[in-house]
Amino acid sequence: SQQGEEDPQALSIQEGENATMNCSYKTSINNLQWYRQNSGRGLVHLILIRSNEREKHSGRLRVTLDTSKKSSSLLITASRAADTASYFCATDENTGNLLYFGTGTSLTVIP
Amino acid sequence: DAGVIQSPRHEVTEMGQEVTLRCKPISGHNSLFWYRQTMMRGLELLIYFNNNVPIDDSGMPEDRFSAKMPNASFSTLKIQPSEPRDSAVYFCASSEDYDTDTQYFGPGTRLTVL
Repeated sequence: SQQGEEDPQALSIQEGENATMNCSYKTSINNLQWYRQNSGRGLVHLILIRSNEREKHSGRLRVTLDTSKKSSSLLITASRAADTASYFCATDENTGNLLYFGTGTSLTVIP
Repeated sequence: DAGVIQSPRHEVTEMGQEVTLRCKPISGHNSLFWYRQTMMRGLELLIYFNNNVPIDDSGMPEDRFSAKMPNASFSTLKIQPSEPRDSAVYFCASSEDYDTDTQYFGPGTRLTVL
């Protein structure tokens, strides 16, 4: 079953611009993660934010989490062509370590 | 570390044939996950193991699907008999232990059933 839903489904921007992707989920969580998937490749873990955190940074990535709204956003600043990929949010459900992935946002960065 | 290794990378077979997908998790990781990805259904968890024991196989779509993990360094996902609707990319992922959340994905096996 899918828990997270990303928005938008597809996003196209110019190199250098910022890209923002959103994720909404349904139940309470321990943490939320973002993964990237390049075409034809497996998923790569980007960043994890715990339910008691509101914001986290990693390089050009900024993730926010609003547990009251059950939503998260991923901001990629100063985008590069190499950022072109699909981005997925994944959540657990307070028990165990199962991850439920969203449907993904397809990001295209135009050089 | 070589990461999670999956084989084959591509598999084309005919309906009714048996298909076996293989996965070698990262050394030292105790949990292993099998996912299926399609355009229609996205990424679905099929089954996961902890310390070689299957914990939850509720995502396995039908009895035609089976998975084993005979030891800590090897797992298989078998489809018998295969059907065209099984066509998808199958990913294996591993994590350090049951309470560790980050999963490391293999490159996937693209299965086409004709």
